[in-house]
Amino acid sequence: GAVVSQHPSRVICKSGTSVKIECRSLDFQATTMFWYRQFPKKSLMLMATSNEGSKATYEQGVEKDKFLINHASLTLSTLTVTSAHPEDSSFYICSARADRGLHEQYFGPGTRLTVT
Amino acid sequence: GQQLNQSPQSMFIQEGEDVSMNCTSSSIFNTWLWYKQEPGEGPVLLIALYKAGELTSNGRLTAQFGITRKDSFLNISASIPSDVGIYFCAGPSGNTPLVFGKGTRLSVIA
Repeated sequence: GAVVSQHPSRVICKSGTSVKIECRSLDFQATTMFWYRQFPKKSLMLMATSNEGSKATYEQGVEKDKFLINHASLTLSTLTVTSAHPEDSSFYICSARADRGLHEQYFGPGTRLTVT
Repeated sequence: GQQLNQSPQSMFIQEGEDVSMNCTSSSIFNTWLWYKQEPGEGPVLLIALYKAGELTSNGRLTAQFGITRKDSFLNISASIPSDVGIYFCAGPSGNTPLVFGKGTRLSVIA
């Protein structure tokens, strides 16, 4: 149980284009999903918290107009990187939490974004 | 904000050796989680701890929730090559997302 998928696993795009990453909880309903960014050999950096049916909460320094998050259902959250630039190249990972009373987060396999 | 300090930052061990790593915090945590991340993958939850003093095992892995609630330990017995990866401790800060340590990078020499 507690499986989270991400799609795509890898994506290469040109500067100025937008990229959408999907995060799905496959066998449970996720009231809350989280989006992280990870640089090589670094820990996870939280970008935003996504609650189903409400606006995402962004961490300080994360541009909400650049990183659009939609959590339209209890099993799907999407992150859209708009007008991507090479500095947006990174490993993006989502996680899902099933119950507000529990703290376990289950992570997706990540998406490697390369902007050329 | 709350921070978790993990040590050591990295370890190189021989296959078959036991491994011990720890995580400390300046404030109390009510839950401790240990994750493992392999290259190019997302973190995988290994063990969750909920009570001070709790000792929980998952195969060759054993984790303990410190009595002070400010620390936790993860031990791996009889390491094997597939134990290679980065081990993160994490804990909740209220009802907010998890706070993560910076990780312990484990390398196993066959």
